[in-house]
Amino acid sequence: GDSVTQMEGPVTLSEEAFLTINCTYTATGYPSLFWYVQYPGEGLQLLLKATKADDKGSNKGFEATYRKETTSFHLEKGSVQVSDSAVYFCALLSIIQGAQKLVFGQGTRLTINP
Amino acid sequence: EPEVTQTPSHQVTQMGQEVILRCVPISNHLYFYWYRQILGQKVEFLVSFYNNEISEKSEIFDDQFSVERPDGSNFTLKIRSTKLEDSAMYFCASLSVGGRAEGYTFGSGTRLTVV
Repeated sequence: GDSVTQMEGPVTLSEEAFLTINCTYTATGYPSLFWYVQYPGEGLQLLLKATKADDKGSNKGFEATYRKETTSFHLEKGSVQVSDSAVYFCALLSIIQGAQKLVFGQGTRLTINP
Repeated sequence: EPEVTQTPSHQVTQMGQEVILRCVPISNHLYFYWYRQILGQKVEFLVSFYNNEISEKSEIFDDQFSVERPDGSNFTLKIRSTKLEDSAMYFCASLSVGGRAEGYTFGSGTRLTVV
């Protein structure tokens, strides 16, 4: 079945550092890909998405590019802030026999120190 | 911006008791979902619901679980006899028709604690 594998956490960085969180997927066809963020004590929020190969999703300084050839959707940010501390989930939209669902990676906890 | 609303935000229940988690999806959405996240672990799919019936369910969604959309507005998850291992954050989500590119809208979750 469809699956998502994320970089193991936790990740701890200093403010203004460069961030990469790796995500690869296994799926039939070319699913839509997403990054969700979960801030402490809150629910899941959509951070960005890409729906086809070579699309780049971006939001709040975060970017991710849909790479079909490497089946990857790595999350990047050039200069992180303390407020970016959260758990980040990579996900794909799985559609099998007309039934849709999101399949999540295991999540990566990011802590940014001042 | 439309929201998915979940109530309660936190529920504590004794093992063996029944609980009902409530969700109000976005009004023009037609696909509804429950996911759960055991503390510190991945978000897991439980069940999807479309056209007033379950369209898919995971292995987790055994006979102790049921879902209902009783009045065309609320979408509920019932756990008949809770176990300690049911303690988790439960998220409701909804998706619009043709929402392949739109993604889901998640509620803020219900934290269920079974004692």
